[in-house]
Amino acid sequence: GEDVEQSLFLSVREGDSSVINCTYTDSSSTYLYWYKQEPGAGLQLLTYIFSNMDMKQDQRLTVLLNKKDKHLSLRIADTQTGDSAIYFCAESMGGGNKLTFGTGTQLKVEL
Amino acid sequence: GAVVSQHPSRVICKSGTSVKIECRSLDFQATTMFWYRQFPKQSLMLMATSNEGSKATYEQGVEKDKFLINHASLTLSTLTVTSAHPEDSSFYICSARDSRTYQETQYFGPGTRLLVL
Repeated sequence: GEDVEQSLFLSVREGDSSVINCTYTDSSSTYLYWYKQEPGAGLQLLTYIFSNMDMKQDQRLTVLLNKKDKHLSLRIADTQTGDSAIYFCAESMGGGNKLTFGTGTQLKVEL
Repeated sequence: GAVVSQHPSRVICKSGTSVKIECRSLDFQATTMFWYRQFPKQSLMLMATSNEGSKATYEQGVEKDKFLINHASLTLSTLTVTSAHPEDSSFYICSARDSRTYQETQYFGPGTRLLVL
């Protein structure tokens, strides 16, 4: 079955870069996503990458995909206190199929 | 971007009552919506896929008679928690996919926090 794993917690200083990692097991994953969840709120889509891409950059966000190792990462440059949240990676096979979420990483940004 | 709303945002009810949660896509049509459940400090677990005009598809272990889903229009899906019990207390989140595009992106609602006393 599908399994998506993330480290539970990451703490960084304001202004530093944050790197959140994710590993998945389903090699047929077509789309991989990063979502942000603030306390008591729904999920905000940050970015996504198609499985035939290695990298995608969007302003402060850089997504790297190593399909061979089934490893996905999200780098946040110049991390700010407003970036403190839980970050979920998710994968799907496309075609309107369901998302399978990772366990979530709590990012804490300290001054 | 696409907006999905949920109503209510928070509900407290007595054990044994039924609670209806609405999920609406505000500026797009969605033939498919998804209902998730999230326990504190845990990930989202898919409960069911809601299909407009047909029966919902439930994930293994989710009781369809307990969690009734109706997707009567292209912009509205409802989840009814029947005869709610304290163990049903959770954060329920819906998502929707824009049917008119080939985009795979799911847009999430803000969630509904249910507390059953």
